[in-house]
Amino acid sequence: QKEVEQDPGPLSVPEGAIVSLNCTYSNSAFQYFMWYRQYSRKGPELLMYTYSSGNKEDGRFTAQVDKSSKYISLFIRDSQPSDSATYLCALLTETSYDKVIFGPGTSLSVIP
Amino acid sequence: EPEVTQTPSHQVTQMGQEVILRCVPISNHLYFYWYRQILGQKVEFLVSFYNNEISEKSEIFDDQFSVERPDGSNFTLKIRSTKLEDSAMYFCASSEVGQGLSGNTIYFGEGSWLTVV
Repeated sequence: QKEVEQDPGPLSVPEGAIVSLNCTYSNSAFQYFMWYRQYSRKGPELLMYTYSSGNKEDGRFTAQVDKSSKYISLFIRDSQPSDSATYLCALLTETSYDKVIFGPGTSLSVIP
Repeated sequence: EPEVTQTPSHQVTQMGQEVILRCVPISNHLYFYWYRQILGQKVEFLVSFYNNEISEKSEIFDDQFSVERPDGSNFTLKIRSTKLEDSAMYFCASSEVGQGLSGNTIYFGEGSWLTVV
C-alpha cells in the first residue's frame, strides 16, 4: 500500500458546487495534516493545517481528519473557477517534522 | 506579500554537468527546504536546513546533492554530475519555524525547472 493516496481525477464540477477531495494514508505515525493548492507550473500554497481529528473551517474550505480511518478530506463550498488547480494532501509525523510527505494530488476543474 | 524567489526559472544542462539552483528565502525565516517534482509525479522532500546545517534529508538526497547558505540571503542546491532522471521542477521553500509546530506555514517559491539532456 502506498504511503499516501489520492484519486488523481480530473474532477470537473460546475461553478458553485460543493467539492469533496479525499486522501488516505497508511502510516499511523502521521500527526499533522495539511492541504496545499498547486496551480500549473507553480509552487504549492498552503490552504489548511490541522493536528487532531475533527473539522477545521476557514472561509469556503473545511478540512476533516479521521485518524482512526486514516482518512482526510477537504471540502470546498461555492466553488469558483479560480479554485481550478491540483490539490495536494500533505502529512507530517511528530518525529520527522521537517519532512512533509505529499500525496500525488487531485486535479480539480471548476467550470463557469 | 513576502515571497521566496528562485533562479533560474528554467535551465537546460548536459548530462554530467554540475548545476546550481539558487533561492532567496523570506527574510525573517530560519528554516529552508528543497523539494522536487518530476513531471506528472508528486512533490518529494529532498532536504531541510536550519542553523547552517542539514536537519533532515531524504533517500533521494545522496552525495550527488549539496546545499549551502553562502551568505545571509541565498540558499543554494548544487547537483553534481547531473543525470537524465534529475530532470524535474525544484522548489525552494522557507518557514519561520519548524514544520511540526502548529500553525506554521511553509512558503514555496515558483520553482526552477531543470532539464537534463
